Amino acid sequence: EDQVTQSPEALRLQEGESSSLNCSYTVSGLRGLFWYRQDPGKGPEFLFTLYSAGEEKEKERLKATLTKKESFLHITAPKPEDSATYLCAVQAIRTNAGKSTFGDGTTLTVKP
Amino acid sequence: EAQVTQNPRYLITVTGKKLTVTCSQNMNHEYMSWYRQDPGLGLRQIYYSMNVEVTDKGDVPEGYKVSRKEKRNFPLILESPSPNQTSLYFCASTLAGTGNEQFFGPGTRLTVL
Repeated sequence: EDQVTQSPEALRLQEGESSSLNCSYTVSGLRGLFWYRQDPGKGPEFLFTLYSAGEEKEKERLKATLTKKESFLHITAPKPEDSATYLCAVQAIRTNAGKSTFGDGTTLTVKP
Repeated sequence: EAQVTQNPRYLITVTGKKLTVTCSQNMNHEYMSWYRQDPGLGLRQIYYSMNVEVTDKGDVPEGYKVSRKEKRNFPLILESPSPNQTSLYFCASTLAGTGNEQFFGPGTRLTVL
């Protein structure tokens, strides 16, 4: 069974204080690992897809990296508008491409 | 505008009264999914569909039914709702292929009394 564990559960940062969110996964053959951002009361919004260990992707203050066991979402010099819940999800090669397993998320709060 | 729509957005009902939550997408996506989101349990996939008339169970399918008769629509049916199905429900659609992003709807908050 595929498993995704995110840590920490909640993270409070001062504006400009860089940090990382962790997503540990157990999957028999990774098809893809996904990061989403979710604002309160809204549906998740896509950020990144990573496919293989060593891959990195960047978008503004966010950078996602992938190893064989975990992914990190690095937030550089965060701003209050980066406050949200960040979700990690995996798809396994052995299952249909429509099947996804999500972690519980990390709720990030950035104080001005 | 590319979007996934869900109706209703809010619903309060009673145990045992059949209900349907509709989901529609205008992006011609092949894949569609239903998720429920509960505090401390994250997003859990209920059912997904890879095309018209092709559906499969996710991680928590018990108590739910789906159908995919048209490519754009993927309704979620609760034939006999129970209080443990009180949750926030999201529909999502994806273009077929590996690594494509899911587009999520705005959510339906369901309360079963």
